[in-house]
Amino acid sequence: EVQLVESGGGLVQPGRSLKLSCAASGFTFSDYNMAWVRQAPKKGLEWVATIIYDGSRTYYRDSVKGRFTISRDNAKSTLYLQMDSLRSEDTATYYCATYNNYYFDYWGQGVMVTVSS
Amino acid sequence: DIQMTQSPASLSASLGETVTIQCQASEDIYSGLAWYQQKPGKSPQLLIYGASSLQDGVPSRFSGSGSGTQYSLKISSMQTEDEGVYFCQQGLKYPDTFGAGTKLELK
Repeated sequence: EVQLVESGGGLVQPGRSLKLSCAASGFTFSDYNMAWVRQAPKKGLEWVATIIYDGSRTYYRDSVKGRFTISRDNAKSTLYLQMDSLRSEDTATYYCATYNNYYFDYWGQGVMVTVSS
Repeated sequence: DIQMTQSPASLSASLGETVTIQCQASEDIYSGLAWYQQKPGKSPQLLIYGASSLQDGVPSRFSGSGSGTQYSLKISSMQTEDEGVYFCQQGLKYPDTFGAGTKLELK
């Protein structure tokens, strides 16, 4: 059974940093592209970043480019999202998901990030 | 960015009723479209990919169709457990973009 378990969320002040983790199990992690998708409270879904299966390429939405870094450790079957210079508009539930060609087929339960002073 | 416009924003349906949700892309996405269901407090679940392929484990009352810029999701017989919010998503070009969602309730 595919399992994705996010951690590392919480309350953080604007301008500070936070690092999210996503522990994967039940599939061969190193074979899959992975992504982060977020959802602001009572809002829709917004793609954040994608990393290719071997870590060779990464893609970001414009609003997080230069502030967020997606990475992975295939030996530990873990995906990361380093978030720097956080803004109030980054407040959201962050989901990690497997990215299969062009769709997200498995999702974690999500982790809440609140950016507020 | 490719814009995804979903309609309606909300609807209510009776048990056994057929439900259709529409999604329009701002340009041709060549069937690079997926549908997701999200229940309150839960993560989204993939229903349909490639515009019309049913994800493993998804009931056959769900179906997808469309091409070019126009796509639809159909539920052939509304069930209680189908309540939730439905999103379309295109992955043809970065950034991947989602529709705003359609809230489906049982009448």
